[in-house]
Amino acid sequence: DADVTQTPRNRITKTGKRIMLECSQTKGHDRMYWYRQDPGLGLRLIYYSFDVKDINKGEISDGYSVSRQAQAKFSLSLESAIPNQTALYFCATSATGGAISDTQYFGPGTRLTVL
Amino acid sequence: QKEVEQNSGPLSVPEGAIASLNCTYSDRGSQSFFWYRQYSGKSPELIMFIYSNGDKEDGRFTAQLNKASQYVSLLIRDSQPSDSATYLCAVGGSQGNLIFGKGTKLSVKP
Repeated sequence: DADVTQTPRNRITKTGKRIMLECSQTKGHDRMYWYRQDPGLGLRLIYYSFDVKDINKGEISDGYSVSRQAQAKFSLSLESAIPNQTALYFCATSATGGAISDTQYFGPGTRLTVL
Repeated sequence: QKEVEQNSGPLSVPEGAIASLNCTYSDRGSQSFFWYRQYSGKSPELIMFIYSNGDKEDGRFTAQLNKASQYVSLLIRDSQPSDSATYLCAVGGSQGNLIFGKGTKLSVKP
């Protein structure tokens, strides 16, 4: 079984709809991340969470919200989807780091299309 | 704004050659450095990480780090067509996250 799973894997929705992307992990990691990837723009951090009570904005959090329901679950919501949120979304996890950031492990991705 | 810069490529090498991928970063305080490989439409997968100046070898891959020059590279020896992918350089941020470059697309020609 995959260590980091994302649901759904593909989603087509319409402008203005609320949508939730879910991420679950069995790696026992405390830290979880949401990224979006667009052609030519690389991976951009949306939100990250270092434990259940810790949520932090990344570089492009506008239009998104998150919920850390448990150590193993981290959900990303688009409150009112717009076409420029069409992208490939990745969830990632890492162990608790000290002075050195730890390796991040990625889920398979969710391809989201907003019409 | 902390940045990680990579040449977008494409970098084209013949099969069996050495592919050299380069990355520079702006935060002199960075302590951890990672190389990921990403096939089209797939998720990034870790190739290797490096924390100390010098070389680190893992099979056909060698990561090289020069903190004074704020430069990290990845060498792929005996390149194979299956190595054709986008290679992402990532640098540990001060907040515990990673900052990713935009990636270099590598094409290995048979």
